[in-house]
Amino acid sequence: DAGVTQSPTHLIKTRGQHVTLRCSPISGHKSVSWYQQVLGQGPQFIFQYYEKEERGRGNFPDRFSARQFPNYSSELNVNALLLGDSALYLCASSPDPSSATIYFGEGSWLTVV
Amino acid sequence: GIQVEQSPPDLILQEGANSTLRCNFSDSVNNLQWFHQNPWGQLINLFYIPSGTKQNGRLSATTVATERYSLLYISSSQTTDSGVYFCAGAYNQGGKLIFGQGTELSVKP
Repeated sequence: DAGVTQSPTHLIKTRGQHVTLRCSPISGHKSVSWYQQVLGQGPQFIFQYYEKEERGRGNFPDRFSARQFPNYSSELNVNALLLGDSALYLCASSPDPSSATIYFGEGSWLTVV
Repeated sequence: GIQVEQSPPDLILQEGANSTLRCNFSDSVNNLQWFHQNPWGQLINLFYIPSGTKQNGRLSATTVATERYSLLYISSSQTTDSGVYFCAGAYNQGGKLIFGQGTELSVKP
């Protein structure tokens, strides 16, 4: 069975641009969470989605948005990119929001220049 | 909110040595977990350990919830153990995980 898949794996964007990152959870998992990891720090929670509804939001500006599709895959969108948005963006998959079983994808490395 | 602190921030070991990594958390958590992040960035679950002790091969973990700390033990370390180790906790079951700053482990041959 495939694990959590994320795309793209690496990308470079210019300040002010928009980016869309994608995540496919493990088959049967209905909850997806997004985390941002800046170099040298631990991951920080951005969003959690379950059954297409937002279940939690971290302390991030409105430039960050996400959605979950009927097949439980998810997109993270970031508008008006800043240099400080350069980070590893991690997607996590779990059967439901209360599950302690959580699996992370390999991440999308975003560089903003 | 809960805070998670890890120590030491960096650790260099010779292959075969043992080590203990510590995680202190500031408030009650019921979803304490340990992860290993490989050089390519992927986070791998090591233990879900809200309390008690678990062992998996050369790795073991102990959480004393009443004293708000958890320990990860690595015995007979190997070069493949290198990477960053994170502990993370949550307020509620699952949900938003709060990560520590990590311990970067380097095992030399």
